[in-house]
Amino acid sequence: NAGVTQTPKFRILKIGQSMTLQCTQDMNHNYMYWYRQDPGMGLKLIYYSVGAGITDKGEVPNGYNVSRSTTEDFPLRLELAAPSQTSVYFCASSARGQPQHFGDGTRLSIL
Amino acid sequence: KNEVEQSPQNLTAQEGEFITINCSYSVGISALHWLQQHPGGGIVSLFMLSSGKKKHGRLIATINIQEKHSSLHITASHPRDSAVYICALSQYGNKLVFGAGTILRVKS
Repeated sequence: NAGVTQTPKFRILKIGQSMTLQCTQDMNHNYMYWYRQDPGMGLKLIYYSVGAGITDKGEVPNGYNVSRSTTEDFPLRLELAAPSQTSVYFCASSARGQPQHFGDGTRLSIL
Repeated sequence: KNEVEQSPQNLTAQEGEFITINCSYSVGISALHWLQQHPGGGIVSLFMLSSGKKKHGRLIATINIQEKHSSLHITASHPRDSAVYICALSQYGNKLVFGAGTILRVKS
C-alpha cells in the first residue's frame, strides 16, 4: 500500500545544477500537486495537474517545470538551482473533491 | 492579510489537557481541511469538512461557515499528539491554501 512515493528523500545541489524530483502514486488519482514548505511558512503550491497531459501553474512556479505523461507520475524539474529553492518539497495526489494524500517529502539544499 | 490565519502559533500543554486550535479565513470556500505533520515526517489529512462537526477518536473539528471560523479540538491530549497542525482551504477545484500551522507540544 505505497500511496504517494517521492524520491530522493534528501539532496544537496550546487548553484546552477539541475535535477528532477520524482513523484509517483498508485491510487489512480487524477489530481496531483507539488508544494514547497519553507520554515515558518505555510505550504505553497508550485504546480498541479488535473490529469495526464494537463498541468498548470500554482502560486510559486518560477524556476520549476513539470510534466504529466501518465496518471501515476508527476516529476518536478529544477533547471538552474538557486539558493532560494532550498526547501522541503511535498508531492500530493487526490481524487476530485477528496482529501489529498501526501508523500514523505524531499529535503533539498542548494549551496 | 493572509487568507488563512491560525492561532495560536505555538502551544504547550500538559498530558490530559483539552486543546483547541483555531483557524479563521477571509474567503469563500468549498471545504476546510485539518492536517497533521509530525517532526521530520509527512503530512496526513485529519478532516475535510464543509459544515458542522466531525469526530475521529479524540479529535473533533468544527466549522462555522457564517463566521468563517473552524476549530480543531483534542481531548485527553497525549505526548504522541505533539505535531504541527495545519488548516487549509479549498476554494475551487482541488487546490488548497494553507495556514502557517500551529506547533503543539504535549508534555508528560
